[in-house]
Amino acid sequence: EDQVTQSPEALRLQEGESSSLNCSYTVSGLRGLFWYRQDPGKGPEFLFTLYSAGEEKEKERLKATLTKKESFLHITAPKPEDSATYLCALRDFNKFYFGSGTKLNVKP
Amino acid sequence: DTEVTQTPKHLVMGMTNKKSLKCEQHMGHRAMYWYKQKAKKPPELMFVYSYEKLSINESVPSRFSPECPNSSLLNLHLHALQPEDSALYLCASSQDTAVTYEQYFGPGTRLTVT
Repeated sequence: EDQVTQSPEALRLQEGESSSLNCSYTVSGLRGLFWYRQDPGKGPEFLFTLYSAGEEKEKERLKATLTKKESFLHITAPKPEDSATYLCALRDFNKFYFGSGTKLNVKP
Repeated sequence: DTEVTQTPKHLVMGMTNKKSLKCEQHMGHRAMYWYKQKAKKPPELMFVYSYEKLSINESVPSRFSPECPNSSLLNLHLHALQPEDSALYLCASSQDTAVTYEQYFGPGTRLTVT
């Protein structure tokens, strides 16, 4: 069974302090890795899909990268509004295997 | 437009009540999903509809009954729920069930069972 592990569980940053979130996975064949952002009490918001090792995607202060064993979500010069829980997920047929998430808190 | 809408936003119900959650998407997606999310946990898949037919039921108790009246609508009928069923219920949709398609989530219905 596919497994998705995210680290750290929680991350506190000062505004402008860049960092990275990790999502490691074990799959028999990568089908797609997805990053979502979730604010408290709301549904996950789609950010990126990565399909193959070496692929990178960017959106504003976020950049997602993928290797054969893990994905990183790099946050450059974060702002308080970037505070949220970031979830990664793998697809296997109909199922999403979600990681447990990284709760990011950016202090002004 | 990548919007999935859900109603109501909040629902409080007793254990003997019958209620329904509604979900709608107008993206032309042919796959729709129900998830349950407890506090500080990732979403857990409950049901999958593909082309308006139930394709996956993740061993969900029969007190939860899904319905897909058409390709844009998804309902979740609730009856005789337990307090432990209190959670955020999320609806999602994707182009179809192929693994390469991302899912788009609605804002959720916060359900409290008293």
